[in-house]
Amino acid sequence: QKEVEQDPGPLSVPEGAIVSLNCTYSNSAFQYFMWYRQYSRKGPELLMYTYSSGNKEDGRFTAQVDKSSKYISLFIRDSQPSDSATYLCAIENQGGKLIFGQGTELSVKP
Amino acid sequence: DAGVTQSPTHLIKTRGQHVTLRCSPISGHKSVSWYQQVLGQGPQFIFQYYEKEERGRGNFPDRFSARQFPNYSSELNVNALLLGDSALYLCASTLGVQAKNIQYFGAGTRLSVL
Repeated sequence: QKEVEQDPGPLSVPEGAIVSLNCTYSNSAFQYFMWYRQYSRKGPELLMYTYSSGNKEDGRFTAQVDKSSKYISLFIRDSQPSDSATYLCAIENQGGKLIFGQGTELSVKP
Repeated sequence: DAGVTQSPTHLIKTRGQHVTLRCSPISGHKSVSWYQQVLGQGPQFIFQYYEKEERGRGNFPDRFSARQFPNYSSELNVNALLLGDSALYLCASTLGVQAKNIQYFGAGTRLSVL
C-alpha cells in the first residue's frame, strides 16, 4: 500500500465550478500536510500548508485535513482557466521528507 | 530574492554515462533535498542534506550520490545512467530539517537518457 494515494484524474471542469481534490494516507503519525500546484514543465509551487486536523482557507482555496479518516482535501472555488495544472498532495514526516501523491491533472475550460 | 535555482534546465545523455545536476538554495536556507519525478507521477525523495551532512536517503541505488558545499549549494550525481533515470530532477530548499519547515522547489532539470 502506498503511503499517500491520490486519484490521477484527469479532471475537467467548466470555468466557475467548485473543484474537489482528495488524497488518503496510511500513517496516522503524519502531522504536516501540503498541497502543491505544478504547471507543465515547472517545479511544484506550495499552495496550502496545514498542521494537524482542521480547515485552512486562502482566497479561493480551502484545505481540509481529517486525521480520523486519514483524508485530506483541497477545494477550489470559482475555478479559473489559470487553475489548470497538476495538483499534488504531500505529507511531511518528522525527518522533513516529503511523501507525494501521484498528482491530479486539472483542466478548467472557459 | 532569488528562489531555488537549478542547472542545467535540460540534459540529454546516453546509457552508461554519468551526469551532475546542480542546485543553489534560497539565501539563508541550509537544507537541500533532491526528488525524482517520472512523467505522470509525484516526486520521489532521493536525498536530504543539512549543513553538508546527509540526513536522509530514499530508496534509490548507489548509482545516485549527492553532496552539499559550504555555501549550501548541492550537486546530485548519477552514474551508469539507465533509460529509467529519465525524469525531472527537483531540488528543494528549506531552513532546517525539522518537519514544519516549508520546502521550496526549483524548476527542475529535465534529464533524458537515450
